[in-house]
Amino acid sequence: DAGVTQSPTHLIKTRGQQVTLRCSPKSGHDTVSWYQQALGQGPQFIFQYYEEEERQRGNFPDRFSGHQFPNYSSELNVNALLLGDSALYLCASSPRDRGPRGTGELFFGEGSRLTVL
Amino acid sequence: AQSVTQPDIHITVSEGASLELRCNYSYGATPYLFWYVQSPGQGLQLLLKYFSGDTLVQGIKGFEAEFKRSQSSFNLRKPSVHWSDAAEYFCAVGGYGGSQGNLIFGKGTKLSVKP
Repeated sequence: DAGVTQSPTHLIKTRGQQVTLRCSPKSGHDTVSWYQQALGQGPQFIFQYYEEEERQRGNFPDRFSGHQFPNYSSELNVNALLLGDSALYLCASSPRDRGPRGTGELFFGEGSRLTVL
Repeated sequence: AQSVTQPDIHITVSEGASLELRCNYSYGATPYLFWYVQSPGQGLQLLLKYFSGDTLVQGIKGFEAEFKRSQSSFNLRKPSVHWSDAAEYFCAVGGYGGSQGNLIFGKGTKLSVKP
């Protein structure tokens, strides 16, 4: 059973460029969340997708956008890259709550490390 | 404001010694609390979680954590540390079961283990 897979694992971009990161959720999961983890920091929530729509969003500018496909995979797009966007981008999947409480467990991929020069 | 504080940036313990990692949270509603571990080059793995009920929760790899509402704390413990426990540990808080995906993480505590 494959877990959460992300691609690419590493990439280098220059300021002003655009980047697309990809995520395939764990089998059986339909909800994907994206996090940014800067060096020495904990992960910060960017947004969450299910049913192909953005459902929640953290405190990130509109340069950060996403998409979810019918097979539940997801993309994170960042436009007009800044040096400060250099970070590990983590994708996490979960089964969407269908009751008052969910399992609460997010399954994380190994991340895509973005370096902006 | 909702936040998680992990006061210790880096802790070093000897193999076989006990471990306690501290976590304090600030959250307006009933908190759902988590501990995750991240090894170098790896994603985050859930160690344990607390939603309600017994305030002492058991997790994987011999870890446990105790929820203390009066102190807004959720400290992680292990009675005997193994060299393979060296990693970074993150405390997180969320609401509505947490699987809504919007978790607030602390900055992490890096654990080093001396032989």
